[in-house]
Amino acid sequence: GAVVSQHPSRVICKSGTSVKIECRSLDFQATTMFWYRQFPKQSLMLMATSNEGSKATYEQGVEKDKFLINHASLTLSTLTVTSAHPEDSSFYICSARDGTKVGNEQFFGPGTRLTVL
Amino acid sequence: DQQVKQNSPSLSVQEGRISILNCDYTNSMFDYFLWYKKYPAEGPTFLISISSIKDKNEDGRFTVFLNKSAKHLSLHIVPSQPGDSAVYFCAASRSGGSNYKLTFGKGTLLTVNP
Repeated sequence: GAVVSQHPSRVICKSGTSVKIECRSLDFQATTMFWYRQFPKQSLMLMATSNEGSKATYEQGVEKDKFLINHASLTLSTLTVTSAHPEDSSFYICSARDGTKVGNEQFFGPGTRLTVL
Repeated sequence: DQQVKQNSPSLSVQEGRISILNCDYTNSMFDYFLWYKKYPAEGPTFLISISSIKDKNEDGRFTVFLNKSAKHLSLHIVPSQPGDSAVYFCAASRSGGSNYKLTFGKGTLLTVNP
């Protein structure tokens, strides 16, 4: 149980284009989903928290107009990197929390490697 | 201001021995703690958690100990296996609240030698 998928696993795009990453909870309803970014040899940096049907809450320093997050259903959240630049190249990971459970466990997707040329 | 600290960037142990990974936190509002294991280019895998109402939680080879007065927790892996080699992240959160955010440490790279 508690499986989270992410698509695509890797993407290469040209500077200035937009890229959409999907995050799905496969066997539970995710009332809350999270988007993280990880730089090489560093910890996970929370970018934003999204609750189903409401606007995402962005962490300080994260541009909400650049990183568009949509959590339209209890099993799907999307992150769109708009007008991507080489400095946006990173490993993006989503996680989901099962709203029927008491604990704060988040279950993570396998991540998406974004390379902007 | 780093609220969750893993002061050992790496740890090397022999197969069959005990691995002890440490984590300290500074925010006294944290009351729920988790350990995750991560391989390169993959998402973290949940291992074990503990609520602040307990001081120990055990699941198979993994045991987490919590010392609230010292704001310290540790993950014990016994016996260690080569497949345990990975980066281990400690995370802390406040239960309840509106967003269930996790605050992660920087991770400890565990290497288990055959």
